[in-house]
Amino acid sequence: QIQLQESGPGLVTPSETLSLTCTVSGGSINNYYWSWIRQPPGKGLEWIGYIYYSGSTNYNPALTHRVSISIDTSRNQFSLNLNSVTAADTAVYFCARTSWVVAASYYYYMDVWGKGTTVTVSS
Amino acid sequence: SSELTQDPAVSVALGQTVTITCQGDSLRSYYASWYQQKPGQAPVTVIYVKNNRPSGIPDRFSGSSSGNTASLTVTGAQAEDEADYYCNSRDSSGNHLVFGGGTKLTVL
Repeated sequence: QIQLQESGPGLVTPSETLSLTCTVSGGSINNYYWSWIRQPPGKGLEWIGYIYYSGSTNYNPALTHRVSISIDTSRNQFSLNLNSVTAADTAVYFCARTSWVVAASYYYYMDVWGKGTTVTVSS
Repeated sequence: SSELTQDPAVSVALGQTVTITCQGDSLRSYYASWYQQKPGQAPVTVIYVKNNRPSGIPDRFSGSSSGNTASLTVTGAQAEDEADYYCNSRDSSGNHLVFGGGTKLTVL
C-alpha cells in the first residue's frame, strides 16, 4: 500500500530556510493533493498547505508569505520550503495524501500520513 | 486560536459512549473529518467527510453533523481509544483547510 516518508535536516539555523521532502512509494503521486502539516511540541496540528499533482498550491494564510510547496512527479516526491524560520517553527512535520469527496462541494481530508520528522530551529 | 473549537479534554468509562465535538462557522457548509493521534505517532484517519470510516477502523467510531457542530462518537469505548482527536475542515473563508485544537480522550 502507499507509504509516505519525510526527509530533511533535523536542525535549522534561525533566519534560514527549512527544506523537507516527502517521498511517495507504493503508488502514484498523480491525481491527488499532497499536504504538509506540522505539530509544535505539546501542541495541536497545523495545516501548512497542499499541492495538486499538476502544481497548483494552497497555503495557510498565516504562513503564505514564507512557505512554498513544489512537486516532482517524475520522482514521486513533493517538497516544503519555509523561509526565515524562528524557534516557533520547531515542530514535527508530517506529509499526507489529501483526498476529496465531491457532494454539494469538495470535501478534503487526509487519508495517508507519513510518520513525521522532527525539525528544531536553533543556533 | 483555531477556527474550529474542541474541548481540550473528555473522559469516558470503559465500555461507555462518548461524543467529541468540533464547532465552527465553516461547519455549516463543510463536513468535518476526524483523526486519532496516540503519543509519538502520526495521526490516523478515523472518520472522513462527516461519517465515512476508512477500512480497518472499528465501527464503534461514527460521525455526525448539525448546524455549526461536527461530532465524533465512540460507542463502547476501549482502552486503546485513549488518544488525542482532531477535527479538520475548511476555514471560515472556505478557501483553506484548518484543524481543531484537539481533544484528549481518557478512558477510565
